Amino acid sequence: DAGVTQSPTHLIKTRGQQVTLRCSPKSGHDTVSWYQQALGQGPQFIFQYYEEEERQRGNFPDRFSGHQYPNYSSELNVNALLLGDSALYLCASSFQGLIDGNTIYFGEGSWLTVV
Amino acid sequence: AQKVTQAQTEISVVEKEDVTLDCVYETRDTTYYLFWYKQPPSGELVFLIRRNSFDEQNEISGRYSWNFQKSTSSFNFTITASQVVDSAVYFCALSEADQTGANNLFFGTGTRLTVIP
Repeated sequence: DAGVTQSPTHLIKTRGQQVTLRCSPKSGHDTVSWYQQALGQGPQFIFQYYEEEERQRGNFPDRFSGHQYPNYSSELNVNALLLGDSALYLCASSFQGLIDGNTIYFGEGSWLTVV
Repeated sequence: AQKVTQAQTEISVVEKEDVTLDCVYETRDTTYYLFWYKQPPSGELVFLIRRNSFDEQNEISGRYSWNFQKSTSSFNFTITASQVVDSAVYFCALSEADQTGANNLFFGTGTRLTVIP
């Protein structure tokens, strides 16, 4: 049973560039959430996708956008990268976003460095 | 507003010692969920436990145990007879389900546990 998979594992971008991170949810899951984890901090919720729509969003600017495909996989896009966007980006999957009776599983993350 | 506080930034123990990681939360909801995750250096958050607000029973899983006390808004995690492999950052998290069914996790700042051989 495949868990949550993310790609790429590591990447380096230049300030002002754009980046796309990808996530495939755990088998049987249909909801994907993205989190940003800065060094030494806990993960911060970016947004959640369900049925190919953004269902909930955290306190992140519009430079952060996402997409969910019919196969439930998801992308996180960040435009106009800033040095402060350097972080570990974690993808989490769950079933219908409801955690009662289910739980939320995380991938290994994508380490983004902006120089 | 939701808030999770893990006051212990770093803890070091010698192997085989017991260690308790503290977690205090704030929420105005009556229905909520509490989680503990382990994060090794690889970065992946490994699920340890989920507890809903209506279930105050303590739970034991092998060397791990959890003490949920609504009266003090705490959800503490104890590792018995610690091992070097327990070294990691541990996060406590809170989730409230809103009307859309969407939910997200609010994390504490984590506790870095180092188990010394």
